[in-house]
Amino acid sequence: DVKVTQSSRYLVKRTGEKVFLECVQDMDHENMFWYRQDPGLGLRLIYFSYDVKMKEKGDIPEGYSVSREKKERFSLILESASTNQTSMYLCASSFIFQDQPQHFGDGTRLSIL
Amino acid sequence: AQSVSQHNHHVILSEAASLELGCNYSYGGTVNLFWYVQYPGQHLQLLLKYFSGDPLVKGIKGFEAEFIKSKFSFNLRKPSVQWSDTAEYFCAVNARSGGGNKLTFGTGTQLKVEL
Repeated sequence: DVKVTQSSRYLVKRTGEKVFLECVQDMDHENMFWYRQDPGLGLRLIYFSYDVKMKEKGDIPEGYSVSREKKERFSLILESASTNQTSMYLCASSFIFQDQPQHFGDGTRLSIL
Repeated sequence: AQSVSQHNHHVILSEAASLELGCNYSYGGTVNLFWYVQYPGQHLQLLLKYFSGDPLVKGIKGFEAEFIKSKFSFNLRKPSVQWSDTAEYFCAVNARSGGGNKLTFGTGTQLKVEL
């Protein structure tokens, strides 16, 4: 069974801090994704990666960056956290082919005070 | 760029009622379509997917969806809902983007099934 593990379920940080969210998958998936989920807005793609050291901007990349140094690990970085980045963050992974579904982690609920 | 519209944001049904959730997409190329479900407190899980062939696809827990290319629709159906179907449902379209594939989600439909 596919396992996508996010490092924290809940996280509280202060405005201006640099925040790291970590995600690890155990299925040798090529693709990895970071989304944020907000009520009434669904899931919005922040960044994705289809290979080690490769990244592409999603729909809302501003204020975020990512790192993929190893195939199984994909990190989301909030360079200088702001209150409007308070949200649920979801990591997902999938095989490279277009018909392959994404597998999601449990999410990290991040609060920026 | 692709987009997905889910028309119903909140749906309340009684047990045994029939369900249909609307989903329309816009994308000019070959599409792969998905329905995901998120039960309270759980992670998103795949309900069903369409990538080619029979436009009527069956998923887990008695759900099915019909791909109608001419209407750019992929509506989700279940003949008789149960209380345990209470969840949020997301329609999504997968399309090529740069070097990979990008999944675009609708805004979700919150389904509440009452006993």
